[in-house]
Amino acid sequence: QSALTQPASVSGSPGQSITISCTGTSSDIGGYKYVSWYQHYPGKAPKLMIYEVSKRPSGVPDRFSGSKSGNTASLTISGLQAEDEADYYCTSYRITSTPYVVFGRGTKLTVL
Amino acid sequence: QVQLVQSGAEVRKPGASMEVSCKASGYTFTGYYLYWVRQAPGQGLEWMGWINPNSGATNYAQKFQGRVTLTVDTSISTAYMELSRLTSDDTAMYYCARVIWDVVPAAADYWGQGTLVTVSS
Repeated sequence: QSALTQPASVSGSPGQSITISCTGTSSDIGGYKYVSWYQHYPGKAPKLMIYEVSKRPSGVPDRFSGSKSGNTASLTISGLQAEDEADYYCTSYRITSTPYVVFGRGTKLTVL
Repeated sequence: QVQLVQSGAEVRKPGASMEVSCKASGYTFTGYYLYWVRQAPGQGLEWMGWINPNSGATNYAQKFQGRVTLTVDTSISTAYMELSRLTSDDTAMYYCARVIWDVVPAAADYWGQGTLVTVSS
C-alpha cells in the first residue's frame, strides 16, 4: 500500500505563495473527491486544513486553498506567515481490493 | 466542544501488546467513525484503521491485519486500539481522530492529543 507522493520540502518568504503537490493514482486522488490536507506541528495533533479537495473547515484562513487535476492534488498557501511553518500531509480515500486511507509522506514547509 | 482525550504514554517490551484508549466528549459518540493513525520517529503519518462506533464494524490497513484490534465501549464513549506482537518499529505516537463521513470517509476533523508508545527491551 504505497504512499501518495509529496515533495519532501518547500520554502517561501513571508507574503509569498507556495504550492504543495500530492500525486496518487486513479484508485485514489484521480478517482474520488476525498482528498484532505493536514497541518502538523511536531508533538501536536494534526489539524485539518482542507477536505474534499477544496473545502475549508470553519476557522481555517482563506489563505489556504486546495485543488485537484487528474491524479494530482495541490495545497496552496498564499500570503505566507511565519506560523505556517509546519509539516503538511495529504490523504486520500483509496480502493483497490479493499477500501482504505492513504497518506502522503509529508512536506516540510519552511518560511524563510 | 468536541474533545478526544487519549491515555498516557506507555513503555512495552518487544513481543508484548499495548492498548491505547480515546475518550470522546462534546458530540454523539456513535454518530461518527474514528480513525487510528500513528507517526514513528522521523516518519510521516500512517493510517492504521477505522471503526464505526455504532456497529463496531472495522477496517484495518493491510500492514496491521492480524495485529491490531479496534473496539469501542459506547457506554463510556471510549474507543480502544490494541496492537500485539510489538517490535521496536512500533515505537510511535498514536492518534485517534473523528471522521467526517460522506459516502466514504472524507477526513478527520478532530484529533486526540496523541499517546507515545515506546517499545524497548
